[in-house]
Amino acid sequence: DTAVSQTPKYLVTQMGNDKSIKCEQNLGHDTMYWYKQDSKKFLKIMFSYNNKELIINETVPNRFSPKSPDKAHLNLHINSLELGDSAVYFCASSQIVALNYGYTFGSGTRLTVV
Amino acid sequence: AQKITQTQPGMFVQEKEAVTLDCTYDTSDQSYGLFWYKQPSSGEMIFLIYQGSYDEQNATEGRYSLNFQKARKSANLVISASQLGDSAMYFCAMREGLTGGGNKLTFGTGTQLKVEL
Repeated sequence: DTAVSQTPKYLVTQMGNDKSIKCEQNLGHDTMYWYKQDSKKFLKIMFSYNNKELIINETVPNRFSPKSPDKAHLNLHINSLELGDSAVYFCASSQIVALNYGYTFGSGTRLTVV
Repeated sequence: AQKITQTQPGMFVQEKEAVTLDCTYDTSDQSYGLFWYKQPSSGEMIFLIYQGSYDEQNATEGRYSLNFQKARKSANLVISASQLGDSAMYFCAMREGLTGGGNKLTFGTGTQLKVEL
């Protein structure tokens, strides 16, 4: 049973298109996250939702819009894709109040914009 | 200022030897958690080990141990008896409290470890 599952695993699309990445967790966690890993492997948080409420919104272009229909799901929609959006996007989940709780990551979505 | 600093972009170690990957951190919180993750070439993020700021003993998980020096704000990962399968990118990360980093996991830039025969 996959704990945090993301789809699709690979996404190749043209500049200007709109695309979505879906994420689901079955761990019963109350908080979900989106991270972006750039070509230098640096991981940076983008968004976080706790029980469907947005709690972290880093400096991300407003072409990126997260949506959490319930605490087990967090989707990422990207409008008007640009070449610089090419990266690996990771979804993760955790419990908000427990500092000793690490994050469980999905397997990542490799987005390539051509 | 960087919250997590990993000064070794790349490291080589011979099989069966021990290796230490360095990590220093910066926080004003009293309560925080330190984590190490492994990212093999296949891309997934694998949790390795955790150390709490109030833990008096260094964390250990199998061949992994965390050398925690609170006064120096360092949390080095020690891998004993390296195996070829340990070749991967290793990330140090910190989770601060709600009043500190906003309850997010902040990562260092990573160390690429290569285990050689």
